Amino acid sequence: DSGVTQTPKHLITATGQRVTLRCSPRSGDLSVYWYQQSLDQGLQFLIQYYNGEERAKGNILERFSAQQFPDLHSELNLSSLELGDSALYFCASSPGLAITSDTQYFGPGTRLTVL
Amino acid sequence: AQKVTQAQTEISVVEKEDVTLDCVYETRDTTYYLFWYKQPPSGELVFLIRRNSFDEQNEISGRYSWNFQKSTSSFNFTITASQVVDSAVYFCALSEITEGGIKGGSEKLVFGKGTKLTVNP
Repeated sequence: DSGVTQTPKHLITATGQRVTLRCSPRSGDLSVYWYQQSLDQGLQFLIQYYNGEERAKGNILERFSAQQFPDLHSELNLSSLELGDSALYFCASSPGLAITSDTQYFGPGTRLTVL
Repeated sequence: AQKVTQAQTEISVVEKEDVTLDCVYETRDTTYYLFWYKQPPSGELVFLIRRNSFDEQNEISGRYSWNFQKSTSSFNFTITASQVVDSAVYFCALSEITEGGIKGGSEKLVFGKGTKLTVNP
């Protein structure tokens, strides 16, 4: 158990809908990272927050957004969902800002299925 | 841009065999970190090791060992005397400095496509 929690574990929805994925980092970790794992693209970095502020953006679509709240939990919002958004979404956390000094520990993931 | 190649898509071995998972990377950074993660059938990504670019010493942890060779840009992972519980997808990853950000750059992980290891009894 990494200490990172994600809810829900599974999510099934329809095209055009909007969903919110939630992540609670390990106790004391200030950084939260979101990754998407799909069959065709593999594991891709989406976005990072550090202590409530957006820190880095990767291949995140404009239909997707995220935020980190004062209690450090984070939410990833996916809107206008398309079939291709079906994937496993991981959240990871680390104590500080740079992965070269910290290790990212991953949550169990949320499996999103868009029908 | 950084790139990680895991040429072996799938490997199947019989229990107690040794197996090596290959990882080749490309980077322009002089300082970087390499990682291995394990993804068992349950789906969670489990951290195995982090190695910085200045430390080429091989590392051993129980039945796991890692061979980092800067000259060939490789960071291979060997499991000795494999067990059924080792069956999983293994990912190699490389740190990449991201540009910009609100207060300057940050870092992210660039993953290889993964190698699915099946250990048969």
